[in-house]
Amino acid sequence: EPEVTQTPSHQVTQMGQEVILRCVPISNHLYFYWYRQILGQKVEFLVSFYNNEISEKSEIFDDQFSVERPDGSNFTLKIRSTKLEDSAMYFCASSLPGLAGASGQFFGPGTRLTVL
Amino acid sequence: AQTVTQSQPEMSVQEAETVTLSCTYDTSESDYYLFWYKQPPSRQMILVIRQEAYKQQNATENRFSVNFQKAAKSFSLKISDSQLGDAAMYFCAYRSAGQGGSEKLVFGKGTKLTVNP
Repeated sequence: EPEVTQTPSHQVTQMGQEVILRCVPISNHLYFYWYRQILGQKVEFLVSFYNNEISEKSEIFDDQFSVERPDGSNFTLKIRSTKLEDSAMYFCASSLPGLAGASGQFFGPGTRLTVL
Repeated sequence: AQTVTQSQPEMSVQEAETVTLSCTYDTSESDYYLFWYKQPPSRQMILVIRQEAYKQQNATENRFSVNFQKAAKSFSLKISDSQLGDAAMYFCAYRSAGQGGSEKLVFGKGTKLTVNP
């Protein structure tokens, strides 16, 4: 069964450093998402991406964040200058568009980001 | 804005018994989807079951079923014949379905389910 993959599984970085989190969505999916989950809290939406552009973003997704689909398979989240409060689990998800999206969003295993 | 509320932070059930997890939501939209996701200790988010709001029939997936009450804006998850592997955090989630609607999932805070042997 196709699945979403994410690398790395765990990233440790120093405050102020740039990090890039990578995701490979399910191949026939057209919508891509990033969510984050601070330890012990609920999952929060960051951004959605469709047709090579951001379709929606939350207030969390400020200028420090960017997303890119550099080739036909990868989908990346970049945090330009990490802060302590960026420490969280970051989930990538993908889905089919429109009505087909009723089948749900499929999540990757997550990248645990620790900012020291 | 849509909100999802899970009023039970923790629940426990005996193995082989049945448990129901509650979820309510608030929306002014008439067309939407509802989901239950499971998050085991590995923290992977696993889709358990989904429901389209226009369907009156409650969704079922093997031992998992929902009780969808659209007028009451309630979407509970029933797990029958609970197994040790069902122990996890369970998140209820909402997604708009209308034309031009948001594709994002709005999650509740989750219910931690413990299954006792």
